[in-house]
Amino acid sequence: DAKTTQPTSMDCAEGRAANLPCNHSTISGNEYVYWYRQIHSQGPQYIIHGLKNNETNEMASLIITEDRKSSTLILPHATLRDTAVYYCIVRVVLRGGGADGLTFGKGTHLIIQP
Amino acid sequence: EPEVTQTPSHQVTQMGQEVILRCVPISNHLYFYWYRQILGQKVEFLVSFYNNEISEKSEIFDDQFSVERPDGSNFTLKIRSTKLEDSAMYFCASSEIRGGGDGYTFGSGTRLTVV
Repeated sequence: DAKTTQPTSMDCAEGRAANLPCNHSTISGNEYVYWYRQIHSQGPQYIIHGLKNNETNEMASLIITEDRKSSTLILPHATLRDTAVYYCIVRVVLRGGGADGLTFGKGTHLIIQP
Repeated sequence: EPEVTQTPSHQVTQMGQEVILRCVPISNHLYFYWYRQILGQKVEFLVSFYNNEISEKSEIFDDQFSVERPDGSNFTLKIRSTKLEDSAMYFCASSEIRGGGDGYTFGSGTRLTVV
């Protein structure tokens, strides 16, 4: 799986959009970008994933650059409950599923300020 | 929303004792996983399980560890002879698609403390 680079920490004001960047300059054509988050002492939570098109779900939006070398996770209206460590993970997903284990990095600690 | 349930939430055991951590995956999921997180460190993959056998395991998952699906609902992780360095949060996860193509669902974890 390709390596990712994320800022160690970020602050965002409550109610504002939180934009979390991720660099994955060595991503290959069959690798997807996944985002998970981990609220303190809880299990990781899946947020969203994409290949090359921008994606949106009820939790967030994922913007992937045209060259796919970076992406941004957007939480449109951050709340205090969005304070967590956010992990950007790049991995191959083959037909029928990918390799089994996720490789978590250190992620970005997002702190939502009241 | 369906959940992965883990019990107990916290377990304290003496070094050298056997422990069994229990998980109930989401009912229509076929792929099951264990991860661990030592305090202050990254989440690490241990093992994946499908069709009653291990499909992939990491270097961490040595002979001291074993997994089992004893019935149609439970998925367990056994550590035969615990060491101090086994102290960690252990997370169970499940997915409908192998490798979590549409995302894994993680449980809230079991905090294992070895004394």
